[in-house]
Amino acid sequence: AQRVTQPEKLLSVFKGAPVELKCNYSYSGSPELFWYVQYSRQRLQLLLRHISRESIKGFTADLNKGETSFHLKKPFAQEEDSAMYYCALGGSNYKLTFGKGTLLTVNP
Amino acid sequence: SAVISQKPSRDICQRGTSLTIQCQVDSQVTMMFWYRQQPGQSLTLIATANQGSEATYESGFVIDKFPISRPNLTFSTLTVSNMSPEDSSIYLCSVVRPGNLYEQYFGPGTRLTVT
Repeated sequence: AQRVTQPEKLLSVFKGAPVELKCNYSYSGSPELFWYVQYSRQRLQLLLRHISRESIKGFTADLNKGETSFHLKKPFAQEEDSAMYYCALGGSNYKLTFGKGTLLTVNP
Repeated sequence: SAVISQKPSRDICQRGTSLTIQCQVDSQVTMMFWYRQQPGQSLTLIATANQGSEATYESGFVIDKFPISRPNLTFSTLTVSNMSPEDSSIYLCSVVRPGNLYEQYFGPGTRLTVT
């Protein structure tokens, strides 16, 4: 079965500190993994996908197939990074399975 | 990205009634999906809205409770039937554009409260 686990419901860091949002997945095939973000009062939007290997807003995520992980990282958190972050796994017929989400708060 | 709108943005309904939610996209899309996000929970896929044919429902969701229409490539509706307080959720549609098969773009959501 397809499953996405985000172990931290809440994560609080100070501005300028590094941040890592954890995501682990379970999938029998070759995974397509994504991070979605929802800022306060905004719609859910795609932050990045593993296949593009790009950095968006300073965030990066590396797919580790051995550890079945796709953790989201940023070396220096900013207050505007405060948001809800969802890890998602693409499956058959292009459907997405979402993790429960991590609420990141970056304190001044 | 695609411009996606949903109507209504929110509603308060009495139990036993039905509500139809509309999702409109500004361009033709390959796929449309409907999700539910219950309070404090993650997104759960309800169904894939298929153009010109019956929707494909996920486990735990049935057509009698959540009938879906998709008459063309830019529009879909989701009806929440015979509502109960447990149906209080945010309902979201998402779309996949041609050539970007896994990248889903989400509508703003419809916040439904059932009293």
